[in-house]
Amino acid sequence: ETGVTQTPRHLVMGMTNKKSLKCEQHLGHNAMYWYKQSAKKPLELMFVYSLEERVENNSVPSRFSPECPNSSHLFLHLHTLQPEDSALYLCASSQDGTRGYSPLHFGNGTRLTVT
Amino acid sequence: DAKTTQPTSMDCAEGRAANLPCNHSTISGNEYVYWYRQIHSQGPQYIIHGLKNNETNEMASLIITEDRKSSTLILPHATLRDTAVYYCIVRATTQGGSEKLVFGKGTKLTVNP
Repeated sequence: ETGVTQTPRHLVMGMTNKKSLKCEQHLGHNAMYWYKQSAKKPLELMFVYSLEERVENNSVPSRFSPECPNSSHLFLHLHTLQPEDSALYLCASSQDGTRGYSPLHFGNGTRLTVT
Repeated sequence: DAKTTQPTSMDCAEGRAANLPCNHSTISGNEYVYWYRQIHSQGPQYIIHGLKNNETNEMASLIITEDRKSSTLILPHATLRDTAVYYCIVRATTQGGSEKLVFGKGTKLTVNP
């Protein structure tokens, strides 16, 4: 079982809906990430939080709004999405500030379909 | 970060060694080579990383050429569960910073019975 849990696993929403994706990590890490994986495209980094502060925002449209209330939880709030936003949304965590390399640990993603 | 080039796809027979190549001819002295894989319907999984020496762990071995312009990931006895997309990433380590790895398209490895 992965140490990073994402819910829901699948989500279908209309363009006018508001929904949230949830991620929880049980690894004691202090950094969390949102990635987007569209069909036949490489993973794209969306947001990075380190010590609950957003340190990266890769020109993501404002219809995606992240929230990191503590080091174990990460949310992605969605509103007025477009069909092209349909993708697999992956959450990951790692431990910042350690000596040596701290790999990214990924959840299994939320498969989002926007109709 | 240096660019990497990987074959789009490879096949391997079950029980044989799978050798996945990666070219990174523009790698600089402080950049490491990382390997992740993504099994269908799962998130990516870390495999191994190295700087210039060969590395081995319980999952795989990483062979880096002396000039560091290319590397090979070796799965010594491939199983059907090793069927996945394998990503080779080159990046400098972030001391005290967050990992902002950039994933390419990777190599789709199919292990055949």
